[in-house]
Amino acid sequence: QSALTQPASVSGSPGQSITISCTGSSSDVGGYNHVSWYQQHPGKVPKVLIYDVTIRPSGISNRFSGSKSGNTASLTISGLQTEDEADYYCNSYTSGNGYVFGTGTKVTVL
Amino acid sequence: HVQLQQWGAGLLKPSETLSLTCAVHGGSLSGYYWSWVRQPPGKGLEWIGQINHYGSTSYNPSLRSRVTISIDTSKNQFSLRLSSVAAADTAVYYCARHGGYYQDYWGQGTLVTVSS
Repeated sequence: QSALTQPASVSGSPGQSITISCTGSSSDVGGYNHVSWYQQHPGKVPKVLIYDVTIRPSGISNRFSGSKSGNTASLTISGLQTEDEADYYCNSYTSGNGYVFGTGTKVTVL
Repeated sequence: HVQLQQWGAGLLKPSETLSLTCAVHGGSLSGYYWSWVRQPPGKGLEWIGQINHYGSTSYNPSLRSRVTISIDTSKNQFSLRLSSVAAADTAVYYCARHGGYYQDYWGQGTLVTVSS
């Protein structure tokens, strides 16, 4: 299984909104509503931000939102803050009863 | 509050077998899937495989021939074995719980280095 495709980097100014895309296939992103998104700061453990495409776990800011269209899922960060500077990974359930992560996106707050 | 504590050898020689164990504290293995994920230095996350409390497993096709994930419900822990390691297997290895179709609790990570 190939990693899901994400842009290598995305940047924005404080207060702006940015969107990270995650492109797969009908065997993963397009076939199931089981896409999740993770935030990882340097040297830290990944933290789930979104699961099942649009659901935020308890305690996650509503500045993070998810969506999906066809084989592409997206994570939007609204009201960008300096602490949002991190790496972001999407993840999808796959037809082989497994999972595949995205290539990762580095978010820079200008 | 669920906590995952993992341990295992951090330095291996090529062709040896990687062995890591993850103990679950504050919760039961029952009713969940449990995964292993790795991250080479400076690179992205890679899902290795998962197991449930019945012992049913699924693996990343690219690693399937070398991976075994097992579970010990009496000790509330699960384990990873990866055979015939090479330099490309150098990574931080994480254990994680699936809250549903996502990983909600993670271990602290273990750096495994493969070097002759």
